[in-house]
Amino acid sequence: NAGVTQTPKFQVLKTGQSMTLQCAQDMNHEYMSWYRQDPGMGLRLIHYSVGAGITDQGEVPNGYNVSRSTTEDFPLRLLSAAPSQTSVYFCASSYRTSSGSTGELFFGEGSRLTVL
Amino acid sequence: AQSVSQHNHHVILSEAASLELGCNYSYGGTVNLFWYVQYPGQHLQLLLKYFSGDPLVKGIKGFEAEFIKSKFSFNLRKPSVQWSDTAEYFCAVIIKGGRGSNYKLTFGKGTLLTVNP
Repeated sequence: NAGVTQTPKFQVLKTGQSMTLQCAQDMNHEYMSWYRQDPGMGLRLIHYSVGAGITDQGEVPNGYNVSRSTTEDFPLRLLSAAPSQTSVYFCASSYRTSSGSTGELFFGEGSRLTVL
Repeated sequence: AQSVSQHNHHVILSEAASLELGCNYSYGGTVNLFWYVQYPGQHLQLLLKYFSGDPLVKGIKGFEAEFIKSKFSFNLRKPSVQWSDTAEYFCAVIIKGGRGSNYKLTFGKGTLLTVNP
């Protein structure tokens, strides 16, 4: 069972460069999201999607773009990397519960990004 | 905006001690509640969840949590901790009802638990 797969696991960028973090899930989950984790800050929601073609902003969306062309994939794009985007990024997916909300999140293993 | 508060930043215990980690959320309506654990260098793993029903929820590895609606709390407990419980623990909440809120899982800032052998 692959679950949620993120690539790359590690990346070093220079300020101003762009890159895409890939995320794929094989559980047919409707909901996918991206979080960043910084020391002492917990996890903060960047963007999320409730289905193919539908995305919305989370708590800290600035500097990031997402798209959801398929149920399986939810890439996160950094448009012009800044040192403040140095962080560990987690992709997660979930199913829709009977009450219409999201269930528990299933996380990828994380991508550690350093912006110099 | 919904928020989640974890009162303890760092808890240090000896093996066999009892554990209780506090979690409170801001009022907003019906909730789904979660506790996650993150071992060093790893991703988050679900310990337990509450959607409805019995407010005392049992999870993996001997953990349990109690939902007290009147106190907006969902504290995590374990009667006897082990060295292998050393990790960071995150409380998370979905407060249902507002635009998009059914899908936004908000995390607390985490509590680092160190268990000394």
